Amino acid sequence: AQSVTQLGSHVSVSEGALVLLRCNYSSSVPPYLFWYVQYPNQGLQLLLKYTSAATLVKGINGFEAEFKKSETSFHLTKPSAHMSDAAEYFCAVTGPPNYGGATNKLIFGTGTLLAVQP
Amino acid sequence: DVKVTQSSRYLVKRTGEKVFLECVQDMDHENMFWYRQDPGLGLRLIYFSYDVKMKEKGDIPEGYSVSREKKERFSLILESASTNQTSMYLCASSPPRGVFTEAFFGQGTRLTVV
Repeated sequence: AQSVTQLGSHVSVSEGALVLLRCNYSSSVPPYLFWYVQYPNQGLQLLLKYTSAATLVKGINGFEAEFKKSETSFHLTKPSAHMSDAAEYFCAVTGPPNYGGATNKLIFGTGTLLAVQP
Repeated sequence: DVKVTQSSRYLVKRTGEKVFLECVQDMDHENMFWYRQDPGLGLRLIYFSYDVKMKEKGDIPEGYSVSREKKERFSLILESASTNQTSMYLCASSPPRGVFTEAFFGQGTRLTVV
């Protein structure tokens, strides 16, 4: 079974400050991990993904995330927040291709709403 | 670019009506998903399909059914709509497990049941 926990349903930062959104996962197989962003009244857009290659993953819009197996974490960071980063962010997990017991299901966390203050 | 198209952005239906939500993808993906999104609950998987006529229940299938007669189309059916099914519904598609990279999402259908 797989699950994702996002700590903090609401995070508020000042423009120019560090953004840190937390994601911890639980998985019985090596995980594939994703961060998606959702702007108001829109669908989800992929920010970045970890698929068992480099543990530090860079995504779009200056975001990055680090896979830490020992901490079962995949936290999302951005050095300097911009007003346009205000959105809801979702962490998701699935199993790797062709791994016994893994499925095609993509399981999401409950989301973190990021507010950026001027 | 991959395109996942949901037939309606907004729908208003009456309690007890049978409701069809349609989703079409243009990338020949094997997998298709229906999620429900509610504040504070994130995205919860209703059903997914890994091939034509194949389906599996997700975490909250009660009150819903699905149909996948053609590879590009995945329909979500509310057999008898109820007010607690008022929500945002998101469709997604992805390549098969052997080449999985990411899921692609539609714009969502906001359904209100009155």
